[in-house]
Amino acid sequence: ETGVTQTPRHLVMGMTNKKSLKCEQHLGHNAMYWYKQSAKKPLELMFVYSLEERVENNSVPSRFSPECPNSSHLFLHLHTLQPEDSALYLCASSQEGGLGYEQYFGPGTRLTVT
Amino acid sequence: GQQVMQIPQYQHVQEGEDFTTYCNSSTTLSNIQWYKQRPGGHPVFLIQLVKSGEVKKQKRLTFQFGEAKKNSSLHITATQTTDVGTYFCAGWDYGQNFVFGPGTRLSVLP
Repeated sequence: ETGVTQTPRHLVMGMTNKKSLKCEQHLGHNAMYWYKQSAKKPLELMFVYSLEERVENNSVPSRFSPECPNSSHLFLHLHTLQPEDSALYLCASSQEGGLGYEQYFGPGTRLTVT
Repeated sequence: GQQVMQIPQYQHVQEGEDFTTYCNSSTTLSNIQWYKQRPGGHPVFLIQLVKSGEVKKQKRLTFQFGEAKKNSSLHITATQTTDVGTYFCAGWDYGQNFVFGPGTRLSVLP
C-alpha cells in the first residue's frame, strides 16, 4: 500500500536534537492526522488538520510542532524530546475531517530518543 | 472525557476456534470503526457501523453495534493464522471526539 507514505521509517535522536517527520498522502484526501503509538497505550491522537487548518490539538507538549503546508503533506517537527517520547508515530489521512470517514494510515516512523 | 475500553486485552486461540472482542464506550457514540494492525504493521480500516443494533459481515468477520450505541463487538468464526494481529475499535462521540480503544491482541496457534 502506498497511499500514505512516511519518512524516515526509523529515527534515533538525542534529547538536544531537532528533527522532522514527514508524511505524504496520494489519495486526494482533505484531512491528515498525527498519532502516537506507545507499547502499552492506546493510539493517541495528537493533531488533526482539515483543509490545511489545525482543528485539533490534544494537549500535546510544545516540543512537538506540526506543519501542514498543503493537503498532501504533513510534518511533525521535533525538538528537545524526552526518552518517554520514544514511540511509533503514525500519520493518517481521510477524505474529510470529522466523523464518518475511514482513516488510512502510513507505515509509521519508529522514533527512539536517547 | 470519552473513554473506550476493549476486552480481552489478549486472546490466544487454536486455529479453527472462534474469537470475539468487545468494545465499550463511556459515552454514546455516533459511529464506531474497527481497525486491524498486523505485527510490525499499521492500522488498516475494516468497517464502520453507524446505526443502533447494526450488524455487518465480512466473510468470517461479524461486527455488531449495540442498541444503546455504547458498545460493539467483533466476532471471527474459525480463525486462521492470517487473523493474527491487534484489533482496535475507534469511536466518534457527539462532541466530535475520536478515541481509539487499547486493542485486543489475537494470536492463533496452528
